[in-house]
Amino acid sequence: SQQGEEDPQALSIQEGENATMNCSYKTSINNLQWYRQNSGRGLVHLILIRSNEREKHSGRLRVTLDTSKKSSSLLITASRAADTASYFCATSTSGTYKYIFGTGTRLKVLA
Amino acid sequence: DTGVSQNPRHKITKRGQNVTFRCDPISEHNRLYWYRQTLGQGPEFLTYFQNEAQLEKSRLLSDRFSAERPKGSFSTLEIQRTEQGDSAMYLCASSRPRFTDTQYFGPGTRLTVL
Repeated sequence: SQQGEEDPQALSIQEGENATMNCSYKTSINNLQWYRQNSGRGLVHLILIRSNEREKHSGRLRVTLDTSKKSSSLLITASRAADTASYFCATSTSGTYKYIFGTGTRLKVLA
Repeated sequence: DTGVSQNPRHKITKRGQNVTFRCDPISEHNRLYWYRQTLGQGPEFLTYFQNEAQLEKSRLLSDRFSAERPKGSFSTLEIQRTEQGDSAMYLCASSRPRFTDTQYFGPGTRLTVL
């Protein structure tokens, strides 16, 4: 079963624009991570935010976490064609070792 | 290249055959995960090892699936009597939680069951 639901399912923007994607989850979490997956390839870790954090930055990435709404957002600023990929959130919860991934947002950045 | 390797990269088999996949994690990583991913979906958790101990197993993992991690190093995932519904990408990931919860994923093994 998928804990997270990303929104939108697909997003198409022009190079240089910002891209925002959202993740909602169902149960309390320890941390939430965002991953990128290029077509047909493995996943690459982007950023981790812990349940007691509200915002984190890494380069052109900004992640926010709202535990009261059980949601997170990933903002990619000044997008590039190379950012074209699927983006997934993954959550870990207390009492389990597993990570639950969302359904993903497919981002297409047009040059 | 994350440092996690998986073999084979592709496997085509006939229904009813057994298949085995191998994952070599980053050497100092004591946690190892197996996931399954189908087209258009996110990875689904299958099982988790800490060193050689299999600590959690998804209900998705039927009796036909078994995983091992002898000596806490590489891991194997075996599927017996494959079915067409087993066709998917099988992903392995490793982590070293004492330092970070980041999982490093391998490139995956794509299984096609005919």
